[in-house]
Amino acid sequence: QVQLVQSGAEVKKPGASVKVSCKASGYIFTGYYIHWVRQAPGQGLEWMGWINPNSGDTSYAQKFQGRVTMTRDMSITTAYMELSSLRSDDTAMYYCARSGYFYYMDVWDKGTTVTVSS
Amino acid sequence: EIVLTQSPGTLSLSPGERATLSCRASQSVSSSNLAWYQQIPGQAPRLLIYGASSRATGIPDRFSGSGSGTDFTLTISRLEPEDFAVYYCQQYGSSPYTFGQGTKLEIK
Repeated sequence: QVQLVQSGAEVKKPGASVKVSCKASGYIFTGYYIHWVRQAPGQGLEWMGWINPNSGDTSYAQKFQGRVTMTRDMSITTAYMELSSLRSDDTAMYYCARSGYFYYMDVWDKGTTVTVSS
Repeated sequence: EIVLTQSPGTLSLSPGERATLSCRASQSVSSSNLAWYQQIPGQAPRLLIYGASSRATGIPDRFSGSGSGTDFTLTISRLEPEDFAVYYCQQYGSSPYTFGQGTKLEIK
């Protein structure tokens, strides 16, 4: 079945970087975009950006430009999101999700908790 | 950036009742590129509606979406116990692909 599986919870210190993976299975990896969306505790959803696994092209929300990098490894059908210069307000659940040409997200993983604390 | 404002913030209803959730955009959403998601606490969001009015695969027909331009509505015709959750709208016509702040649907 179509599935996305993310890596496990992370605890990082302020100023560090975190890299979260998202392994896709059950569909053609290069046929769909992978988006990253985060949700701070008790808050709403915030779109961070997407990667086109076929071309490697990316689009980031301006808020995260310069701090986020999205990559992929086609050989293992895995997408990655790296966020640098972490601050306490980056503490959140980070989700990867799939979309087609139109950017509504039809498949999501359970998320990865990232905690930033000194 | 398109700002989406959802109302009400919280909606208290009983099972069997009809729920009407609103999503208003700060500018027109191109080609009705609007989706609705349901999020149960502790779970990932689930796609309900895309293209403003098309139900996603496996979504019961008690869920319906309508609207265009700047005003969109999600209607749940007869609430089931499993429908009590938080609902988000999202526009995907213009980057950044913003979400509304959510409407919490709670049992009265």
